[in-house]
Amino acid sequence: NAGVTQTPKFQVLKTGQSMTLQCAQDMNHEYMSWYRQDPGMGLRLIHYSVGAGITDQGEVPNGYNVSRSTTEDFPLRLLSAAPSQTSVYFCASTSTSGRGSEQFFGPGTRLTVL
Amino acid sequence: SQQGEEDPQALSIQEGENATMNCSYKTSINNLQWYRQNSGRGLVHLILIRSNEREKHSGRLRVTLDTSKKSSSLLITASRAADTASYFCARSGGSNYKLTFGKGTLLTVNP
Repeated sequence: NAGVTQTPKFQVLKTGQSMTLQCAQDMNHEYMSWYRQDPGMGLRLIHYSVGAGITDQGEVPNGYNVSRSTTEDFPLRLLSAAPSQTSVYFCASTSTSGRGSEQFFGPGTRLTVL
Repeated sequence: SQQGEEDPQALSIQEGENATMNCSYKTSINNLQWYRQNSGRGLVHLILIRSNEREKHSGRLRVTLDTSKKSSSLLITASRAADTASYFCARSGGSNYKLTFGKGTLLTVNP
């Protein structure tokens, strides 16, 4: 199993540009989420999904859109990039079959907005 | 807001010593998890402790949970240089799947 994969690894955008960060998992996990990590900070939840067709907002959703058309994929869209969105983005997934379990994280996408 | 807060923010020890990191939170939890992050990498799950548990062990790791004090501690025994990383606690509250992370403790183990 590849686990959780993210592309691209690095990205530089200009203010106002749009892009999609890709996330895929091959573990058949129902729950997927996006976090951003800023220097000296922990991870903050952007959006999450408990299954295909179901998404919801996390702590810092403004400026980001998500969709979940399949169990495997959970892309994160930046509609109009701003310098405040410069960050490292992590995607994670977990199974919802138990009473709460570990989340598996991707390697991250390092985004710089100029 | 971030509900899990680790203490200390940074810890530097010698190889072979024990490292203790603490985590406090403000609201009730279903479980509390600890993760490790090596520089520039993704997070790796270390251990999960449920709200009805008081202590768990995994190899050189020992986690305690005191729900009355809303706090948890992670003990790494006989530390190694390879344990150098940032350690985060993450609490799971109303939903078993949404995690709220603290800011982490940066552990440096000197050879």
